[in-house]
Amino acid sequence: GAVVSQHPSWVICKSGTSVKIECRSLDFQATTMFWYRQFPKQSLMLMATSNEGSKATYEQGVEKDKFLINHASLTLSTLTVTSAHPEDSSFYICSQPGGGSTEAFFGQGTRLTVV
Amino acid sequence: AQSVTQPDIHITVSEGASLELRCNYSYGATPYLFWYVQSPGQGLQLLLKYFSGDTLVQGIKGFEAEFKRSQSSFNLRKPSVHWSDAAEYFCAVGTTGNQFYFGTGTSLTVIP
Repeated sequence: GAVVSQHPSWVICKSGTSVKIECRSLDFQATTMFWYRQFPKQSLMLMATSNEGSKATYEQGVEKDKFLINHASLTLSTLTVTSAHPEDSSFYICSQPGGGSTEAFFGQGTRLTVV
Repeated sequence: AQSVTQPDIHITVSEGASLELRCNYSYGATPYLFWYVQSPGQGLQLLLKYFSGDTLVQGIKGFEAEFKRSQSSFNLRKPSVHWSDAAEYFCAVGTTGNQFYFGTGTSLTVIP
């Protein structure tokens, strides 16, 4: 299956600062990437779908101005958490669709802690 | 609407004992079903998946799962648990758009 590399694996930042998370597809081109968020003791919830060369699609309730998604190339999607607050502390994980089989390949995830 | 329910938040089993993790789903079409495992601080690793065909699917690490349409279930099983199986397990429904809907997860503790 595809290899998806996500960086950083963990980050601590101060409240009010911005944090960028990268998701790279190492062996397949990805026109679409998905971003999920997992709060402690909860499941992963889809935040948004990034589309190469066009605007991302956000799920209901997700602030697009706060969670900036850029999919500038077929191998890289980035999620920037702007003006981070402690309530943004979460586990963020990206995924790349698999071939045509409705499968997905997940990155390692990023643990964000905002202090 | 799509949803996935994992009724057991936490399960503790003894090493060598059998394991069954429950998963029920709600989906309007033919479901694509997955089980993932997440070790602490790690990403998701695919254990197994069901798309069609044989309703009993085999996965990695000795896991298997059975799709029961009549019960809308896709329970995960392992005949003999190893200490290294301690982790968080997620059941998920995948859509034709490659989006996933996850259950809330079951945390597995294995005691010696």
